Amino acid sequence: NAGVTQTPKFQVLKTGQSMTLQCAQDMNHNSMYWYRQDPGMGLRLIYYSASEGTTDKGEVPNGYNVSRLNKREFSLRLESAAPSQTSVYFCASSENFLNTEAFFGQGTRLTVV
Amino acid sequence: DQQVKQNSPSLSVQEGRISILNCDYTNSMFDYFLWYKKYPAEGPTFLISISSIKDKNEDGRFTVFLNKSAKHLSLHIVPSQPGDSAVYFCAVHGQNFVFGPGTRLSVLP
Repeated sequence: NAGVTQTPKFQVLKTGQSMTLQCAQDMNHNSMYWYRQDPGMGLRLIYYSASEGTTDKGEVPNGYNVSRLNKREFSLRLESAAPSQTSVYFCASSENFLNTEAFFGQGTRLTVV
Repeated sequence: DQQVKQNSPSLSVQEGRISILNCDYTNSMFDYFLWYKKYPAEGPTFLISISSIKDKNEDGRFTVFLNKSAKHLSLHIVPSQPGDSAVYFCAVHGQNFVFGPGTRLSVLP
């Protein structure tokens, strides 16, 4: 039982390049999330998908897009990477959107130069 | 403006003693409160939670206290162990999950 799996674990991009972060969960969870973690700021919600077929903006959505491909997979895309997007990205899932804990992947460390 | 605050960036405690981590929130509509623990190079892992209808929840060495009137949440770890050394995030759930900035706990042998 892998839980939440993110790929890649590390990535270096040049400014202006694009990339997609992949996330899959095998717990049959309805809700999925993308967070970024920056020093002193905790985890900030980028986008979330409360259920399959829906996506919504979180606290810091600018510069990102997401796709809930199916119930298992939720991808995060950077169309034109900027140095301000250097961060650690975490994908998470929860059984339902309300009142259940979230399970996190191991994170993707992204550096934009 | 931060909705969830953890005013102590770090805390050091002697092994065997009690660790108390604090969290303050601004919105009285939050209805579910959680603590997560994070080790370096790993994702956060769920530790313990409490709903707004309770004021205490206990799980082994971990107890979470909720003071709704003060909008204050605390996590007590007793006795503290070196393996508890990690960053602890308070999180609240209203419209979605909102995390505090974290407190780094160091438990000294």
